[in-house]
Amino acid sequence: GENVEQHPSTLSVQEGDSAVIKCTYSDSASNYFPWYKQELGKRPQLIIDIRSNVGEKKDQRIAVTLNKTAKHFSLHITETQPEDSAVYFCAATPRMDSSYKLIFGSGTRLLVRP
Amino acid sequence: GAVVSQHPSWVICKSGTSVKIECRSLDFQATTMFWYRQFPKQSLMLMATSNEGSKATYEQGVEKDKFLINHASLTLSTLTVTSAHPEDSSFYICSARDLAGAEETQYFGPGTRLLVL
Repeated sequence: GENVEQHPSTLSVQEGDSAVIKCTYSDSASNYFPWYKQELGKRPQLIIDIRSNVGEKKDQRIAVTLNKTAKHFSLHITETQPEDSAVYFCAATPRMDSSYKLIFGSGTRLLVRP
Repeated sequence: GAVVSQHPSWVICKSGTSVKIECRSLDFQATTMFWYRQFPKQSLMLMATSNEGSKATYEQGVEKDKFLINHASLTLSTLTVTSAHPEDSSFYICSARDLAGAEETQYFGPGTRLLVL
């Protein structure tokens, strides 16, 4: 089945700097890659997603890039702010069935230092 | 739009009892709902996929007789943890796909924190 690996597990940056989180997936047929932000004790919130027919997508300070050949996708946050501090999860949708279930990475704890 | 609720938000129970958690899509219809479990400082682990009007599909290693799932309508799925034990203590989160929206997008409920004493 699909396996998603995420790193780093923790990331500490200075406010205003950029943060990059990387994920790899195993199922070459996967075609949907969302990123979620989860604050302590709360639900995951979708922040950006990308489909396999697109190489890059940007939404203000957040961007995601996808390299299908390498089975690799990354989240880029620019001009980080303290409120960006949270746990970020990548995920992939394997295409083995039609349920569109998500397989999550292990998460990255981002700390933005003021 | 695309709001998912869960009830209860937290529950404490004695070992051996059963606990039912409800997941509702409030403003959209969801043919498919998903149930996840999240232990502290860990990722979301998919437990099962719930389809309206049919049996749930469980992930490998998840006991279907222990975690009973019912998806009776397009807006409601329930997870019952039967004969709960302390090791079942966790954060249970549901998500739902919007029938009318982008087929891959999942909207998450606020989660239910279960503590089994």
